Amino acid sequence: AQSVSQHNHHVILSEAASLELGCNYSYGGTVNLFWYVQYPGQHLQLLLKYFSGDPLVKGIKGFEAEFIKSKFSFNLRKPSVQWSDTAEYFCAVRRTSGSARQLTFGSGTQLTVLP
Amino acid sequence: ETGVTQTPRHLVMGMTNKKSLKCEQHLGHNAMYWYKQSAKKPLELMFVYSLEERVENNSVPSRFSPECPNSSHLFLHLHTLQPEDSALYLCASSGTEGINTIYFGEGSWLTVV
Repeated sequence: AQSVSQHNHHVILSEAASLELGCNYSYGGTVNLFWYVQYPGQHLQLLLKYFSGDPLVKGIKGFEAEFIKSKFSFNLRKPSVQWSDTAEYFCAVRRTSGSARQLTFGSGTQLTVLP
Repeated sequence: ETGVTQTPRHLVMGMTNKKSLKCEQHLGHNAMYWYKQSAKKPLELMFVYSLEERVENNSVPSRFSPECPNSSHLFLHLHTLQPEDSALYLCASSGTEGINTIYFGEGSWLTVV
């Protein structure tokens, strides 16, 4: 079964700092990749996704992520964070073949942006 | 408004109670899901329904019983739960199971006392 690792459990940054959150998965086949965000008291929202094509994908609110197949990684980046980016971020992976088509989530990274 | 509505938002129940969580999606999707979100742990998939048929049950204890009467509604019936079942229960839906993006509801906070 596939697994997803988010090595940073809690990241604290000041406003305008650059952000990179790591995500690695363990499956050698074709995958779909997702980043979800959960703002305090709100539901999980899709931030961006990769299905195929350009490995650099852009999402909402200035976020982007790069799929590096050789590293099994899908790191999330933002050049300049804002206080409103404080949230929990979840990476998720889904195999595109076989029966295990459901999303496997990482344990999440809590981002705190200090004003 | 997420398109996926869950009720109740908060539930406190005793270990001998029977209660149900309800989920309704207004997105015209064909697949619906129950996830469990516990602190410091990855989201755990509990059940998947595709076209109202259960297609996945990830070894969830029988004290959790899902029901999907139609493609827009999903229930999670709760019976004789344990304190460790306290968590946020998330409902989600997608256009077609395994293919499309999954959209989540706001969740139901469950506390078992």
